[in-house]
Amino acid sequence: EADIYQTPRYLVIGTGKKITLECSQTMGHDKMYWYQQDPGMELHLIHYSYGVNSTEKGDLSSESTVSRIRTEHFPLTLESARPSHTSQYLCASSESTFGYTFGSGTRLTVV
Amino acid sequence: DQQVKQNSPSLSVQEGRISILNCDYTNSMFDYFLWYKKYPAEGPTFLISISSIKDKNEDGRFTVFLNKSAKHLSLHIVPSQPGDSAVYFCAASHNNAGNMLTFGGGTRLMVKP
Repeated sequence: EADIYQTPRYLVIGTGKKITLECSQTMGHDKMYWYQQDPGMELHLIHYSYGVNSTEKGDLSSESTVSRIRTEHFPLTLESARPSHTSQYLCASSESTFGYTFGSGTRLTVV
Repeated sequence: DQQVKQNSPSLSVQEGRISILNCDYTNSMFDYFLWYKKYPAEGPTFLISISSIKDKNEDGRFTVFLNKSAKHLSLHIVPSQPGDSAVYFCAASHNNAGNMLTFGGGTRLMVKP
């Protein structure tokens, strides 16, 4: 049973649209992360948060933004989607040394 | 500078045989290592982990070996099953970095019936 939820699972949108990918966790984890992964490629960290009102950019430059107003919620927003944003977006949360719990991901296609 | 490397992008194994997936790291500060399994269109799921104070950890068909002097770890799956076909990611962390995980590039395992 998943304790971290991502919606939508799949999304096809037109260029220039604004979209928000939702991520919520019920485990009370302080740390949350967004990764981007293209098929057959490595996971790239694009944003992370160590708690409420704390957000940082990751290793991969991204045109997306994130917010962390509540512990359980870590949405990712693209103000103007482009075809280059087509990818799978994975949200994760963690506490201490026990690794990450990932959501099921959002497969985004921008046409 | 990739600190965690999985040099084999893919591996094909016959059902019932052993699968060995390898991972190398360069940062000697890493003290905790994990393996994740990922199916297409799903998020990675935790498989097995090992602390740097150990050299082996076993869980059913899965065993992870750590060689600190060589900065190398491996995941053994025996016997391999078709359902094991997935992408496997190696990851490492250290306490001084807030336990943030650094992932390898992944190895696609295909287990043939």
